[in-house]
Amino acid sequence: IVLTQSPGTLSLSPGERATLSCRASQSVSSNFLAWYQQKPGQAPRLLIYGASSRATGIPDRFSGSGSGTDFTLTISRLEPEDFAVYHCQQYGSSPVTFGQGTRLEIK
Amino acid sequence: QVQLQESGPGLVKPSETLSLTCTVSGDSIISNYWSWIRQPPGRGLEWIAYIYYSGTDNYSPSLKSRVTISGDTSKNQFSLKLSSVTAADTAVYYCARTVAGGFDYWGQGILVTVSS
Repeated sequence: IVLTQSPGTLSLSPGERATLSCRASQSVSSNFLAWYQQKPGQAPRLLIYGASSRATGIPDRFSGSGSGTDFTLTISRLEPEDFAVYHCQQYGSSPVTFGQGTRLEIK
Repeated sequence: QVQLQESGPGLVKPSETLSLTCTVSGDSIISNYWSWIRQPPGRGLEWIAYIYYSGTDNYSPSLKSRVTISGDTSKNQFSLKLSSVTAADTAVYYCARTVAGGFDYWGQGILVTVSS
């Protein structure tokens, strides 16, 4: 399954709302879709799994939604530490695949 | 707290075999699935393979012919071997715990450069 993330880069200011998209080339089984945050020089961190469940310790300003082939990660009010690269990943079909990433940068 | 640490050479010559080990603490490798994932510089993530302690494994079709993943329960480690490497295999290699909801714990990553 090919995952396409948009936009490639998103420029926003702290306090604004961010909406990131992940579109799959075919339906993601059981909505097994995860989102990760990655900061420079660090490993990715799991934010969302099962399309909408927050991982342990993830603030509630992060939310995931969607089903089938269209998924969204929303950050309700951006904090300075949220500016990073975000990856979506599907694990419903083998092989596991990732999107190419969306870079969220400070405007 | 679960921690993973990759180890191995940071430089491998073309056509040789890349060998990495992931040491796990805070969890037993018999309890979950464990994966290798890589990220070429400035690019996205690519899953390579996973292993379960019973010997069950699964490989990315694009790398399957060159990859072997194995586990050592006595040392609580699992390993990756990638043969016949080229410059295209230059990447940061991560090991990660694999659960029903994705990859929840990651190592810090190790940069492996393929160059003569």
